[in-house]
Amino acid sequence: AQKVTQAQTEISVVEKEDVTLDCVYETRDTTYYLFWYKQPPSGELVFLIRRNSFDEQNEISGRYSWNFQKSTSSFNFTITASQVVDSAVYFCALSEANTGNQFYFGTGTSLTVIP
Amino acid sequence: NAGVMQNPRHLVRRRGQEARLRCSPMKGHSHVYWYRQLPEEGLKFMVYLQKENIIDESGMPKERFSAEFPKEGPSILRIQQVVRGDSAAYFCASSLRGQGMGYTFGSGTRLTVV
Repeated sequence: AQKVTQAQTEISVVEKEDVTLDCVYETRDTTYYLFWYKQPPSGELVFLIRRNSFDEQNEISGRYSWNFQKSTSSFNFTITASQVVDSAVYFCALSEANTGNQFYFGTGTSLTVIP
Repeated sequence: NAGVMQNPRHLVRRRGQEARLRCSPMKGHSHVYWYRQLPEEGLKFMVYLQKENIIDESGMPKERFSAEFPKEGPSILRIQQVVRGDSAAYFCASSLRGQGMGYTFGSGTRLTVV
């Protein structure tokens, strides 16, 4: 079973629109960590955020915001006023404290921001 | 304070050759992880090593792939007798304490098998 599901394979938005990338996870651990990474066309992985399972406070960083809801096992990512430079593949990932040797990545959402 | 260094960034091999991918963890990190990203897919865990020990190799293909992290020097992911299906991006990550804490990823090595 897929531990991290990113149902949106590709999204296109026009510049300045807001866009939300969905992430649903599955775990039986009570302690776990959720991450978002950005992979631009150059291919490297850019760390965006890490949340632990005990901290459900939403977070805002500039144009980025994250909505963590344990009740629905979701950790969604919103980009406000999107820009062309936001075009990339975005990955959601899960690390479990009990089996924390690895990250489980979703299959990614490819975001294209059209000027 | 350099991050995780992977080299080469790009590697081209002919079918049947060997590929050696190197990963130098962040200074002070003794836990290394290798991931593979096939085209159009997310990253998949391959192996977790500490100095001189393989801790978890549950994601490693059974044949042709091996990994090491010697006492001195970088971690090496070795692929023998490469095939076209090995073409992928291989990412290395390191952490200070294991258990996924403080993970830092390298920029990856893109292997192309021709």
